[in-house]
Amino acid sequence: NAGVTQTPKFRILKIGQSMTLQCTQDMNHNYMYWYRQDPGMGLKLIYYSVGAGITDKGEVPNGYNVSRSTTEDFPLRLELAAPSQTSVYFCASSPGLGLSDTQYFGPGTRLTVL
Amino acid sequence: GQQLNQSPQSMFIQEGEDVSMNCTSSSIFNTWLWYKQDPGEGPVLLIALYKAGELTSNGRLTAQFGITRKDSFLNISASIPSDVGIYFCAGRGAGGTSYGKLTFGQGTILTVHP
Repeated sequence: NAGVTQTPKFRILKIGQSMTLQCTQDMNHNYMYWYRQDPGMGLKLIYYSVGAGITDKGEVPNGYNVSRSTTEDFPLRLELAAPSQTSVYFCASSPGLGLSDTQYFGPGTRLTVL
Repeated sequence: GQQLNQSPQSMFIQEGEDVSMNCTSSSIFNTWLWYKQDPGEGPVLLIALYKAGELTSNGRLTAQFGITRKDSFLNISASIPSDVGIYFCAGRGAGGTSYGKLTFGQGTILTVHP
């Protein structure tokens, strides 16, 4: 089991460029999440999904889009990169077991927008 | 939205010392989780707490779910160099639109001197 995998590990973008951060999980989890981590700020939820075809906004969704066409994949799209989107992005998944649900995190993507 | 205050922000300790950190919330949580993040990696779950007053141990780690359901504590006994990392608390709300979603504290950076 690979768990949650993310690609790329690092990326530098110019302002206005677009890119897709990939996330795949092989645990057959229903729930998937995207977070961003800024220094000293903990993790902020960007978008989440409770199953294929269902997505919803988290705390900081502006500037991002997601899709969930399969159970395994949950890509995050940045359309017009801005310096404020420089951050470390983590994808997570969980089985969706209610209060005992546990989120498993990928290794992260470090994005710099110049 | 829900706010979590985690303290201290950072700690510098000698190997063998005990460590305490805590999180307080402006609202009630039904689940408290403690994660550890190693450099360049995603957070990994250490301890999960599901009932007010619950005290749970995982090796040298002990965590408690506060009686008011608005706070939680993590203690590490006899610290070792591999305890170095960032420790995050996370809380899960009472249900409805917050069901499944976590709110994270800002993190405590732990440095252990040999």
